[in-house]
Amino acid sequence: AQSVTQLDSQVPVFEEAPVELRCNYSSSVSVYLFWYVQYPNQGLQLLLKYLSGSTLVKGINGFEAEFNKSQTSFHLRKPSVHISDTAEYFCAVTPDLTGGGNKLTFGTGTQLKVEL
Amino acid sequence: GAGVSQSPSNKVTEKGKDVELRCDPISGHTALYWYRQSLGQGLEFLIYFQGNSAPDKSGLPSDRFSAERTGGSVSTLTIQRTQQEDSAVYLCASSPTGDSYEQYFGPGTRLTVT
Repeated sequence: AQSVTQLDSQVPVFEEAPVELRCNYSSSVSVYLFWYVQYPNQGLQLLLKYLSGSTLVKGINGFEAEFNKSQTSFHLRKPSVHISDTAEYFCAVTPDLTGGGNKLTFGTGTQLKVEL
Repeated sequence: GAGVSQSPSNKVTEKGKDVELRCDPISGHTALYWYRQSLGQGLEFLIYFQGNSAPDKSGLPSDRFSAERTGGSVSTLTIQRTQQEDSAVYLCASSPTGDSYEQYFGPGTRLTVT
């Protein structure tokens, strides 16, 4: 089984400041990792994913994340946030198994609030 | 193109009633997932369809919950004898195949059980 921990339930930050949203995971098998964003009253939108290759992955809206296998982390970063980045961010994993679909296990989410 | 759609967007029902929630996946997507988002439990997987069959139902919380998919397209999640703890947002996602890692989410159905 897999689990995902997002330690920060809320992160306030001023516009144009950098931000890091933390994600740690636990799994007995290799996993693939994802960050999703949810704007108010909307579904989830994929920001970025790590499947293999370079451990630094770039996503939409200027976000990037770094996979650290030894620390079992996949922290999300943005060098300069905008007011429109205010949303809830979810880290998720799915096991690297063939067949059976790719159900996601989510963290509890981090509410990013960008202030002027 | 059209994304994943879900209906109704909001549903208020009385405790003990049955409800049906509908999901229309992206055309051509063979994999379909249902998740539930609630204050107490966060985002949880419910069931996975590949075509019309459901090889993974491990997330359904009780036998009051069932789901079906017809024609490899539309899916219906049915909750019988609703309880207050069923109140949540029910999210549907589709994926091109069961091996695909990109899931496209619908806007969800907010269910309130009074």
